[in-house]
Amino acid sequence: GAGVSQSPSNKVTEKGKDVELRCDPISGHTALYWYRQRLGQGLEFLIYFQGNSAPDKSGLPSDRFSAERTGESVSTLTIQRTQQEDSAVYLCASSRPPLAETQYFGPGTRLLVL
Amino acid sequence: GEDVEQSLFLSVREGDSSVINCTYTDSSSTYLYWYKQEPGAGLQLLTYIFSNMDMKQDQRLTVLLNKKDKHLSLRIADTQTGDSAIYFCVQGGNKLTFGTGTQLKVEL
Repeated sequence: GAGVSQSPSNKVTEKGKDVELRCDPISGHTALYWYRQRLGQGLEFLIYFQGNSAPDKSGLPSDRFSAERTGESVSTLTIQRTQQEDSAVYLCASSRPPLAETQYFGPGTRLLVL
Repeated sequence: GEDVEQSLFLSVREGDSSVINCTYTDSSSTYLYWYKQEPGAGLQLLTYIFSNMDMKQDQRLTVLLNKKDKHLSLRIADTQTGDSAIYFCVQGGNKLTFGTGTQLKVEL
């Protein structure tokens, strides 16, 4: 596609439920990143994929968070047993090494945990 | 740890120059970036500078890098109302570290 797409654009869930967020990177981009942006704050790095392996998972806040990627395509971020503090915008970005300096961001998924 | 600091707000009049400043900590960053975020829109890469450069100019945008002081600035010449947005200073390579963002308000 023309850009990074994410779905759903908005998600409201109840505390304790699991959610899955999806990211479709730009075709040909082998690197994929997940970030979280809490209200009024900058982005927090969550995880980075190169292909379908994740060399850096250091930003995942807890073991309730996991992510996987199929080949060099779609990625899903799963949050189990959601908590109210998980409410945020979850942003996905992709890039194409060796031009990895340019990360292109999707529009984000706005998650609200009630 | 890695940290990026920038002021939270900047207000300028249309036609004036805007200067947004930032300090960062990761001296190993190959690139430093400025991203723009408009209400209801995604993050847009505005410009970036390679760490061995002092300055980069791109139309109305000028980026200055003082590597010794770990200081980065973004100057927007002839600021327009369409420049109103949040501007993020970002360091890093694969793992980007974002500042909290500077909200630029352009007044008529």
